[in-house]
Amino acid sequence: DADVTQTPRNRITKTGKRIMLECSQTKGHDRMYWYRQDPGLGLRLIYYSFDVKDINKGEISDGYSVSRQAQAKFSLSLESAIPNQTALYFCATSDYTGTSGYTFGSGTRLTVV
Amino acid sequence: GQQLNQSPQSMFIQEGEDVSMNCTSSSIFNTWLWYKQDPGEGPVLLIALYKAGELTSNGRLTAQFGITRKDSFLNISASIPSDVGIYFCAGGDSNYQLIWGAGTKLIIKP
Repeated sequence: DADVTQTPRNRITKTGKRIMLECSQTKGHDRMYWYRQDPGLGLRLIYYSFDVKDINKGEISDGYSVSRQAQAKFSLSLESAIPNQTALYFCATSDYTGTSGYTFGSGTRLTVV
Repeated sequence: GQQLNQSPQSMFIQEGEDVSMNCTSSSIFNTWLWYKQDPGEGPVLLIALYKAGELTSNGRLTAQFGITRKDSFLNISASIPSDVGIYFCAGGDSNYQLIWGAGTKLIIKP
């Protein structure tokens, strides 16, 4: 099994719908992250969590919310999806230092029509 | 905010050629990391650098942590078809946050 599992892998949704992307990890790490990837723009941080009780906004948090249900689970929600939220979304996890490397999931490709 | 400038944005190379890419910043970083992303997958860590001046190899890949702590480069020797993908640099700051470059897309000419 993968260390970081994201579901679904692909999703098409309509404008205005609420959608949740889920992430679970078996690394035992406290830190989890949600990133968005657009062509040519690299990875942009949406939200991050250093433990179950700690949630922080990243550089592009508007229009998104998160929930850290347990150490192993971190979900991302789009409350009312819009077309410019069409992107590839990645969940990642890291140890307490955060700099010995992040482990990424395989991504969720979201299309908002 | 902090930014990394990663170049080149893309590279077309012949199989067997050496490849070089780099990242620069106006900020100092405590760590430099290099990742590769294959199509349809998340980025995977290639090399992690923790000290200024550090030179580290991983097979045909070599990366260095710049002495000023504001830059890093990645070299790939004798490229092969499976080297294609997007390479990302990331700098770790004093708050243990990673700042990402925009990526270098490596394409091998047929």
